[in-house]
Amino acid sequence: NAGVTQTPKFRILKIGQSMTLQCTQDMNHNYMYWYRQDPGMGLKLIYYSVGAGITDKGEVPNGYNVSRSTTEDFPLRLELAAPSQTSVYFCASIDSMPDTQYFGPGTRLTVL
Amino acid sequence: KQEVTQIPAALSVPEGENLVLNCSFTDSAIYNLQWFRQDPGKGLTSLLLIQSSQREQTSGRLNASLDKSSGRSTLYIAASQPGDSATYLCAVTPNYGQNFVFGPGTRLSVLP
Repeated sequence: NAGVTQTPKFRILKIGQSMTLQCTQDMNHNYMYWYRQDPGMGLKLIYYSVGAGITDKGEVPNGYNVSRSTTEDFPLRLELAAPSQTSVYFCASIDSMPDTQYFGPGTRLTVL
Repeated sequence: KQEVTQIPAALSVPEGENLVLNCSFTDSAIYNLQWFRQDPGKGLTSLLLIQSSQREQTSGRLNASLDKSSGRSTLYIAASQPGDSATYLCAVTPNYGQNFVFGPGTRLSVLP
């Protein structure tokens, strides 16, 4: 099993550009999460999904969108990138609540 | 709203010392508490998961305790090694939600 994979690993965007962060898991997990981590801070939840076709907002959803058309994939879309979105983004999954989370390696995004 | 804090923010110890990391949470209505390790530039790896009905969990040189009524958990690391250098984060699973709340982490340096 590859576990949770994320692409790209690094990206630099200009203000106003858009991009999609990819997240895939091969463990057939129902729950998937997107977090952002700012320097010296803990993780803040952006969006989560409890299954294909079902998504919900977390603590900091503004400026982001998600979709979940399959169990495996949970892409995060940034529209009109802003410097405040400079961060490291982590995707995670679990089989059922409550359970251990499995994290991807992260995407480091810089918006200039 | 559940809030998680961790003390100290950073800790530096000589190799071989036993040490304790602290995690506090404001709402005792939790399913479980997890301790994670994060190496620089990497994702999070789950170390220990304590269910709300448990008082402690052990894995090798690591021991995590949970006092739900007082809103506290400690991670005890015995005979620390330079390879233990990393950031340690705790996270709680609230009873009411489908997500996790993270603390800001403790950055540990173990000096040879």
